[in-house]
Amino acid sequence: AQSVSQHNHHVILSEAASLELGCNYSYGGTVNLFWYVQYPGQHLQLLLKYFSGDPLVKGIKGFEAEFIKSKFSFNLRKPSVQWSDTAEYFCAVNARSNDYKLSFGAGTTVTVRA
Amino acid sequence: DGGITQSPKYLFRKEGQNVTLSCEQNLNHDAMYWYRQDPGQGLRLIYYSQIVNDFQKGDIAEGYSVSREKKESFPLTVTSAQKNPTAFYLCATAPDIFATNEKLFFGSGTQLSVL
Repeated sequence: AQSVSQHNHHVILSEAASLELGCNYSYGGTVNLFWYVQYPGQHLQLLLKYFSGDPLVKGIKGFEAEFIKSKFSFNLRKPSVQWSDTAEYFCAVNARSNDYKLSFGAGTTVTVRA
Repeated sequence: DGGITQSPKYLFRKEGQNVTLSCEQNLNHDAMYWYRQDPGQGLRLIYYSQIVNDFQKGDIAEGYSVSREKKESFPLTVTSAQKNPTAFYLCATAPDIFATNEKLFFGSGTQLSVL
């Protein structure tokens, strides 16, 4: 069973719409959480990460994510998307219980229509 | 880009053939990783290495082999034992092995297809 679950395989939005991508993980104990993005034809790059402190994390390009420990979730949000946000988004988790190996979710393809 | 070079960009494998994917880095990172990316499955860890002459199996190591003779290089061989090799292969590095809150740096990937 996958240890990192992303709820949506493909999301289609219009520009200016709000975006929320779900991510849940199954590891207990200490975890570090990441969102990576892969724009068409480009490398995977880090959007944001959480390892301690304020559970609301702000990343690049107006993205933010909220860590809710009780729900084992780390959902990604953006209030108003742009066409340039079209990409594949991956949630990733490392956990002490898994020797801090980085595990990725299956990814969510986001298509923003102009 | 980002100091990680993967080659070739596209690779074709014939039945029963071993092929080797190259990954070179000039970031002076200790840790190197190989991931396989399949549609709808995300990235899965094949092998990783913390230091020269040492490497460990990841979650899907069967049918693959690696070496780490130099800090800068971590080639991946897809052997004939790997029955479903068609995938996009990504090499990644990090300053330390599984540095808990460090990001990974990714190469541009190699698309392997079976003829």
